[in-house]
Amino acid sequence: QVKLEQSGAEVKEPGASVKVSCRTSGYVFSSYGITWVRQAPGQGLEWMGWIGGYKGKTKYAPKVQDRVTVTTDTSTTTAYLELRNLRSDDTAIYYCARDMSGFTSSWADHWGQGTLVTVSS
Amino acid sequence: EIVLTQSPGTLSLSPGERATLSCRASQSVSASYLAWYQQKPGQAPRLLIYGASTRATGIPDRFSGSGSGPDFTLTISRLEPEDFAVYYCQQYDGSSPITFGQGTRLETK
Repeated sequence: QVKLEQSGAEVKEPGASVKVSCRTSGYVFSSYGITWVRQAPGQGLEWMGWIGGYKGKTKYAPKVQDRVTVTTDTSTTTAYLELRNLRSDDTAIYYCARDMSGFTSSWADHWGQGTLVTVSS
Repeated sequence: EIVLTQSPGTLSLSPGERATLSCRASQSVSASYLAWYQQKPGQAPRLLIYGASTRATGIPDRFSGSGSGPDFTLTISRLEPEDFAVYYCQQYDGSSPITFGQGTRLETK
């Protein structure tokens, strides 16, 4: 069955970087994309970015595009989200999800369990 | 970018009642590129509907989606106890970054 397993919780200081991993299994990785969504405490969902499984094309939310990089390792079918220059308002649960398109961002049908990133001095 | 506005913010209903949730886009969403998700406390979102009206695998038929252009609706025909949660709409129109609505909380009356 389709699984997305994310790395564990992180605590970072302001200005640092964090890299969250999302290990996938149970499907053909190159036929789908991976989308990243975050949720601040008590808040709604915020899209961060997407990467296509086919050629690694990326799209990013304008709000974070100068601080975020999404990558994949096709040999291990793992996706990564790196967020740099962390601020306190980056504190959130970060979710990866399987995006139904490998060519452009669309909807997500399977989700990881989430990774809590806390930014605090 | 396309802004999605969901209404109402909170909907208070009883099991067995019908729920109607609205999602309005700031501009027309091409080809009904709209999805709905359900989220329960402490859980990841769950896909309910994509393409504005197509139910995802395993979603009960009491959930239905409709609409086009800027106005979309999620209807739950007869509420079950497990349906009380927060619901989000999401657009994936290629002309805009992906955006989510702010959510509608469906609570027990």
